[in-house]
Amino acid sequence: DQQVKQNSPSLSVQEGRISILNCDYTNSMFDYFLWYKKYPAEGPTFLISISSIKDKNEDGRFTVFLNKSAKHLSLHIVPSQPGDSAVYFCVDGGTSYGKLTFGQGTILTVHP
Amino acid sequence: DADVTQTPRNRITKTGKRIMLECSQTKGHDRMYWYRQDPGLGLRLIYYSFDVKDINKGEISDGYSVSRQAQAKFSLSLESAIPNQTALYFCATSDPPGRVQFFGPGTRLTVL
Repeated sequence: DQQVKQNSPSLSVQEGRISILNCDYTNSMFDYFLWYKKYPAEGPTFLISISSIKDKNEDGRFTVFLNKSAKHLSLHIVPSQPGDSAVYFCVDGGTSYGKLTFGQGTILTVHP
Repeated sequence: DADVTQTPRNRITKTGKRIMLECSQTKGHDRMYWYRQDPGLGLRLIYYSFDVKDINKGEISDGYSVSRQAQAKFSLSLESAIPNQTALYFCATSDPPGRVQFFGPGTRLTVL
């Protein structure tokens, strides 16, 4: 079975500093991963993705790194802003029919 | 207006009652999904549908049924609600291959 684990339930950082959210996975079929962000009382929204042909993907302040040999990925947010405070889900992109496997989520709090 | 809407947003019901959660979308996507989220866990797939005539069970379909009334509408039913179905329920839509999904705001269901 595919599994995605986010071992840090929460992370607190100061505004302007780097936030690093980590994720480990097992048995991924396609090594395609996404990060979704979720605010309270809203559904998750897509943030950034990475496929197995890359080890890094960058979009503005957000960068995702993929280490296939270690089955590990991380999301870096630089610089962190208070509006980044949310729950971040690491997601295995799964098969062609879009079966997403979600990690447990990490609550990020960015303090002004 | 929101692209993916869910009704009701909150519902309290009693054990044994039948309840329906509704989802509508204006994104024109063929694929629709139902997920549930429990505290401290990621989202888990209940059912998914590729089009009106194609409905498939997800990871945790026992105790649930769905109906795809139209391309834009996908309903989730709990035939006889039980307390461990208390959770946050999300509807989502996507184009193929379904990795980037668009979520509704969620329905918080409490079964007493």
